[in-house]
Amino acid sequence: AQSVTQLGSHVSVSEGALVLLRCNYSSSVPPYLFWYVQYPNQGLQLLLKYTTGATLVKGINGFEAEFKKSETSFHLTKPSAHMSDAAEYFCAVIFSGYSTLTFGKGTMLLVSP
Amino acid sequence: NAGVMQNPRHLVRRRGQEARLRCSPMKGHSHVYWYRQLPEEGLKFMVYLQKENIIDESGMPKERFSAEFPKEGPSILRIQQVVRGDSAAYFCASSNAGQANYEQYFGPGTRLTVT
Repeated sequence: AQSVTQLGSHVSVSEGALVLLRCNYSSSVPPYLFWYVQYPNQGLQLLLKYTTGATLVKGINGFEAEFKKSETSFHLTKPSAHMSDAAEYFCAVIFSGYSTLTFGKGTMLLVSP
Repeated sequence: NAGVMQNPRHLVRRRGQEARLRCSPMKGHSHVYWYRQLPEEGLKFMVYLQKENIIDESGMPKERFSAEFPKEGPSILRIQQVVRGDSAAYFCASSNAGQANYEQYFGPGTRLTVT
């Protein structure tokens, strides 16, 4: 079955530290890949996406992600965390032949001073 | 430059009542998607509509739930005879085409509470 897995429901980092949020998908055909961020009581905002081309994609707010086909992964990173990055992050996928998003369960990023 | 609009933002209904959630897509967008976010779960796809057509309703519960996107006006997600388990945040997204690589823009959501 096709699925999206985010490892770790909560990730805690210190301000200025590296942020690494993990996402793996299960599919024999590479899908389209997205990362969304959700602040409390708000909707989802697209951080970045991979559809074709360069496998390292840069997004807003200093985030980037790398598509690794051999590992079926699309991990999200940011070199230096900021307090304002505290939010919930969702990895989402559009599998081949579909037009709708399949989401992971989300990872809550906590940033401490 | 209005984004996706949803109303109401918060809705409280007693068990057995009807809930109507509205979604106005971004200007120029003719594709609408509804997702539900239950507590402790991620977002789940419910239904995908184009003007006057339901394209994919594979995520919709078989009973009590319906959706429409008329030629004029907003998309409506309707839940009849609500139960406590329907309490969730309902998000609408829109895109300007049905291709999978087109970005879906999300609204702020409607938080439904069933008492």
